[in-house]
Amino acid sequence: GESVGLHLPTLSVQEGDNSIINCAYSNSASDYFIWYKQESGKGPQFIIDIRSNMDKRQGQRVTVLLNKTVKHLSLQIAATQPGDSAVYFCAENFRGGGADGLTFGKGTHLIIQP
Amino acid sequence: DTGVSQDPRHKITKRGQNVTFRCDPISEHNRLYWYRQTLGQGPEFLTYFQNEAQLEKSRLLSDRFSAERPKGSFSTLEIQRTEQGDSAMYLCASSPRGLDGNTIYFGEGSWLTVV
Repeated sequence: GESVGLHLPTLSVQEGDNSIINCAYSNSASDYFIWYKQESGKGPQFIIDIRSNMDKRQGQRVTVLLNKTVKHLSLQIAATQPGDSAVYFCAENFRGGGADGLTFGKGTHLIIQP
Repeated sequence: DTGVSQDPRHKITKRGQNVTFRCDPISEHNRLYWYRQTLGQGPEFLTYFQNEAQLEKSRLLSDRFSAERPKGSFSTLEIQRTEQGDSAMYLCASSPRGLDGNTIYFGEGSWLTVV
């Protein structure tokens, strides 16, 4: 099975509300996680990352939470805007596993309703 | 623009033809990756370079696929005798040295349609 996956394929929220996108991973040895945003027809855009020695990291309007006990990662987007509509991917990297880059999940499509 | 650059952005080719994509990574990034992405799926790793050395290849990279990075800067991905199943977006990414070496930045991708 996939090493990284997402709980919901589509998430619809009202503009201005907060959104939470969830991700489960299965490789307990993964030590680095990234959230990417991908708009239609474009490449993935780095949003925020977190290392396994942290539980929380905040950026501009975004917060990533890591729960290593249950191998769960979440991305919180505050005060969503129309420009937040995109597919969001979580990805993991196991540094000790070699140089194979990142393993991605299938993605969650975030829809911002006016 | 100092991001990862890919060319061409779109390519339509007939089955059986060869295609080549080019990637220019972020300046001074020594690591370069190729991924493939199909509709509704996340990117899948294909291959990876550190400088000019190709260090790893996925089993997704069949014999018809070849990637090079001759001078440790730009890279090319060639697909020979294309098949319809090769239709996808081919993403290039790069990452820097050092503590942030795992942060991978992607280009806009090259869309391939095999007809």
